[in-house]
This record gives sequence, structure tokens and C-alpha cells, in this order.
Amino acid sequence: DTEVTQTPKHLVMGMTNKKSLKCEQHMGHRAMYWYKQKAKKPPELMFVYSYEKLSINESVPSRFSPECPNSSLLNLHLHALQPEDSALYLCASSQYGRALYNEQFFGPGTRLTVL
Amino acid sequence: SQKIEQNSEALNIQEGKTATLTCNYTNYSPAYLQWYRQDPGRGPVFLLLIRENEKEKRKERLKVTFDTTLKQSLFHITASQPADSATYLCALGDNAGNNRKLIWGLGTSLAVNP
Repeated sequence: DTEVTQTPKHLVMGMTNKKSLKCEQHMGHRAMYWYKQKAKKPPELMFVYSYEKLSINESVPSRFSPECPNSSLLNLHLHALQPEDSALYLCASSQYGRALYNEQFFGPGTRLTVL
Repeated sequence: SQKIEQNSEALNIQEGKTATLTCNYTNYSPAYLQWYRQDPGRGPVFLLLIRENEKEKRKERLKVTFDTTLKQSLFHITASQPADSATYLCALGDNAGNNRKLIWGLGTSLAVNP
């Protein structure tokens, strides 16, 4: 299985809602990533988990809260988001935590709209 | 500061021709470079990785070159097909970040016309 899955595909939420994005991989990868991507822009790194520990937080606002329950799962909890947070949220995984050595496998993304 | 630039304009070519995309970088000494393809509304898909000590790498109709003197990578698609139409992103390892993350270019939109 060489796939990263993400749910839901689409999410519409109000600014007071709490929701979660989910990501799963069964490739035995030890690093997992959350990216945010706006139209016509490259992916923007948010968080990196390496061996289930948070290794990079790119100064992301606290209304985004990542969680890595186990080596195959990655969640992104959302609370009190702003309309400017609307974007495509991508999950990725790689064999190891050092981007130098390995490719990243991306999921299809969750299209998030904040009203 | 570190900077990556890709073809600023979208690239339109005729089916069967070779598409050449460029990735230039400054203030940077990456040990490797990666190329990804991204279709609208989808996640990027890894294509090729080339290391600083490799001049060229090939995979089927794809070829990547890496010139550390010119600080440039070229990405070629030979015998292009309409299905190759997509955005192509180059990404380099962030040495300052201990190579734990990628720095991404803005991407080049390629359209292959039948």
C-alpha cells in the first residue's frame, strides 16, 4: 500500500466550530507532515512529526493543533479558524524525518472552507 | 535569504515536443533537489530526486540535470503528451533546518496541446 489517505475530502466550517482532519498511511513511514496550500502557491509546511514526536512547528497559530496517535495516523484539530485559513490541507509522509534523503508521499488533501 | 525561482510564465508546447522547465536558486547550497508534479486540487506527486554529486538522472521520458556551479536544475519531458499537463514543482532540502524540510519553488504550469 503506497497511499496516503485523508478525510474528509471537503470541509466547510464556521469560525466557532471545532473539526478535525485525519491522515493515514500504511507504508511504515516514520515521518508525517501537515502542509497548507493556497491557490497558485507551493505547499507551506505547518508541522512535522518524526517517530511520533513533533519535530517542527512552523510558528503555526494555536487554532491549529496537530496530534499523532500512532505511527500511521496524523490528525489536525481545528478550532476558531478564520476565513483566511481556507485552503487545501495536505498530509504527507516520508520514510525518515530528514527530507534530504527521501521523497514525500502526499495525500489528496482536504479542501477547507471557513465561513 | 534563500530563494528558488522557476519559469515565471506558464509553458505551452505542442504534443511530441520536449518540455524544459528550469529551477534556479540563490544563497543556497542544497545537497539534493526534488521534482514533483501537481494536478489541480490534488497533492503533489514525487517524480525524481537528484543529488549534488549527480549531473543527470532519467526516468522513462523524464530527465533532470543539476548544475551546482550555475545553481540550476533543468527538468525535461521528452515526447510530451497532453496528459503531462500539470504544475511542476522543484524543492530543495533546507540545509539550515538540518535537512528536515523542503523549500519549494512556486511551480511552473505546463500545458501540452494536442
